[in-house]
Amino acid sequence: QLQLQESGPGLVKPSETLSLTCTVSGGSISNSDFYWVWVRQPPGKGLEWIGSVSYTGSAYYSPSLKSRVTISVDTSKNQFSLKLTSVTAADMAVYYCTRRVYTSGIVFRGDFDYWGQGTLVIVSS
Amino acid sequence: QSALTQPRSVSGSPGQSVTISCTGTSSDVGAYNFVSWYQQHPGKAPKLMIYDVNKRPSGVPDRFSGSKSGNTASLTISGLQAEDEADYYCCSFAGSHTFVFGTGTRVTVL
Repeated sequence: QLQLQESGPGLVKPSETLSLTCTVSGGSISNSDFYWVWVRQPPGKGLEWIGSVSYTGSAYYSPSLKSRVTISVDTSKNQFSLKLTSVTAADMAVYYCTRRVYTSGIVFRGDFDYWGQGTLVIVSS
Repeated sequence: QSALTQPRSVSGSPGQSVTISCTGTSSDVGAYNFVSWYQQHPGKAPKLMIYDVNKRPSGVPDRFSGSKSGNTASLTISGLQAEDEADYYCCSFAGSHTFVFGTGTRVTVL
């Protein structure tokens, strides 16, 4: 059974950089059928897609966050990471890592089938 | 890229059916058959319920069904049960490996 687990500081100061890591267990991150994704959810609000990365390192970002986001992958550790610079109170949220199904056999897909439990990041001085 | 529009809330009695709409644009929902739906109970991670507009992952009850017409996708829950009370989010592929989520709908079982 695939499992994803987020880790990183739960408290970040305004203007600093938020850094989170997602560790994948029960399967290899080095699989061309999947992309590895970050999604966030501010308290009491909806889900927001942040971006995704392939195991080869190809990354794609939300247009609204693109200037501040970097998503990278470390296949040797079966992990992928999120960095968000210049954080403000608006970046306070539960951050989820999830897996995007890219291909299933010869068919393309676009959904998120496995999710981490999420980690709350508070932005405060 | 704006969030897809969903009703804030819907409700129904046990055994009834409810339908949640998800309205996007010709650049997302209307352009691709990559619409998915997620169920989220309080304090929990989202769970995939529907993918590719109308396909159910293994283990999801067939009470859940999806459809799409033009720029609007829909999720129908038939035979509503108490455990279906949750928040539901739609999500659409929006081109160039990007995605957009819906605003979310709270389903209440009366």
